Amino acid sequence: QSVLTQPPSASGTPGQRVTISCSGSSSNIGSNTVNWYQHLPGTAPKLLIYSHNQRPSGVPDRFSGSRSGTSASLAISGLQSEDEADYYCAAWDDSLNGPVFGGGTQLTVL
Amino acid sequence: QVQLVESGGGVVQPGRSLRLSCAASGFSFSSYTMHWVRQAPGKGVEWVALISYDGSNKYYADSLKGRFTISRDNSKNTLYLQMNSLRGEDTAVYYCARVHIAMVIVGANFDSWGQGTLVTVSS
Repeated sequence: QSVLTQPPSASGTPGQRVTISCSGSSSNIGSNTVNWYQHLPGTAPKLLIYSHNQRPSGVPDRFSGSRSGTSASLAISGLQSEDEADYYCAAWDDSLNGPVFGGGTQLTVL
Repeated sequence: QVQLVESGGGVVQPGRSLRLSCAASGFSFSSYTMHWVRQAPGKGVEWVALISYDGSNKYYADSLKGRFTISRDNSKNTLYLQMNSLRGEDTAVYYCARVHIAMVIVGANFDSWGQGTLVTVSS
């Protein structure tokens, strides 16, 4: 059971906007920055969003993040077929003294 | 450019040990906290351990119960993970990852990852 809770799956059609939620607690999301990763099978995870809503260079502005209280969300607008991947949220946990991840959300582009 | 290359994975019997290495290049290795993260087959990503940039701080996932030891050699730009008393549930792809900001210990923002090395624990 992951410390951060994500829906196991999400889907959308090309061009649509989808959101993926991530629920935590006061010891992680509530007090530390949230990060999002995109993971394609057989490859290394890729940092998509850091510090709640910042994009590393090279990440399209179709990807955006937000945090409210002990929850966070990743939004993908203008959905494309290449966005089909697993998405993970992560945050530092003050109680566990380490990073915690969500269980991952498998995004399907219909 | 930043490059992280893991090695040392393979098939090992339950109860045996294995040491993973992660060779870093393209950045000032001694300035960055490093992590090991793993993904078991069909499962999500799980944090394993971290070591601060100077090696003075080490944190581990509670589930490891002292079986794993993280270390680094800044003179060789290499990160290590010594895994003892291996169990079937340790079967996973192990990734080394670099934090996004230099000289910082706390955080879950990993901007560079290796390609991973597969560890299979089986008799």
